[in-house]
Amino acid sequence: ETGVTQTPRHLVMGMTNKKSLKCEQHLGHNAMYWYKQSAKKPLELMFVYNFKEQTENNSVPSRFSPECPNSSHLFLHLHTLQPEDSALYLCASSPREGQGGAGELFFGEGSRLTVL
Amino acid sequence: QKEVEQNSGPLSVPEGAIASLNCTYSDRGSQSFFWYRQYSGKSPELIMFIYSNGDKEDGRFTAQLNKASQYVSLLIRDSQPSDSATYLCAGRIANFGNEKLTFGTGTRLTIIP
Repeated sequence: ETGVTQTPRHLVMGMTNKKSLKCEQHLGHNAMYWYKQSAKKPLELMFVYNFKEQTENNSVPSRFSPECPNSSHLFLHLHTLQPEDSALYLCASSPREGQGGAGELFFGEGSRLTVL
Repeated sequence: QKEVEQNSGPLSVPEGAIASLNCTYSDRGSQSFFWYRQYSGKSPELIMFIYSNGDKEDGRFTAQLNKASQYVSLLIRDSQPSDSATYLCAGRIANFGNEKLTFGTGTRLTIIP
């Protein structure tokens, strides 16, 4: 148990559907992240939020829309996705200060997304 | 050119031996490096980080950093079957408060009993 909870763990959706991924952290961290993990590819940073403000949008298509209502919650809204968007979506949080600083990521268990 | 490169493996090591995992990076602005372990079907977990040249030891794990040669390594002594996992190397660049962590593709390690 890392203190970062993601729901749902598995999601199957059609290309015309709208769905959302949810992430909640109980660690008191101020930074939260969305990463995409595809087979044989590096972990790909999508979005970064520091103190609820988006500080990074790594050229992510607009069909992915993040929302961070507070420092503990992070959402990823999905609409009109493509089959190539099928992947494991990982949420993470990190302390702004600490031994590793922002490199010390605490990951959730991930949401496995399949787009048909 | 990939920013952080790792041999994808699989790397097979007999139980009790030393497993050596290597990582090279291209951006000399990278300031600190992190090793994450990811078991199959699980999320990555941080096992070590290093930001100074030389060695850093934590139990059976030793991280090594050589900034002149731009490589990072992770040694696992007395390898156990429970060490079988994919190991992700990541480099962090801190640039005016905007910190970016770049991951390699990971090396799959198998410890053979």
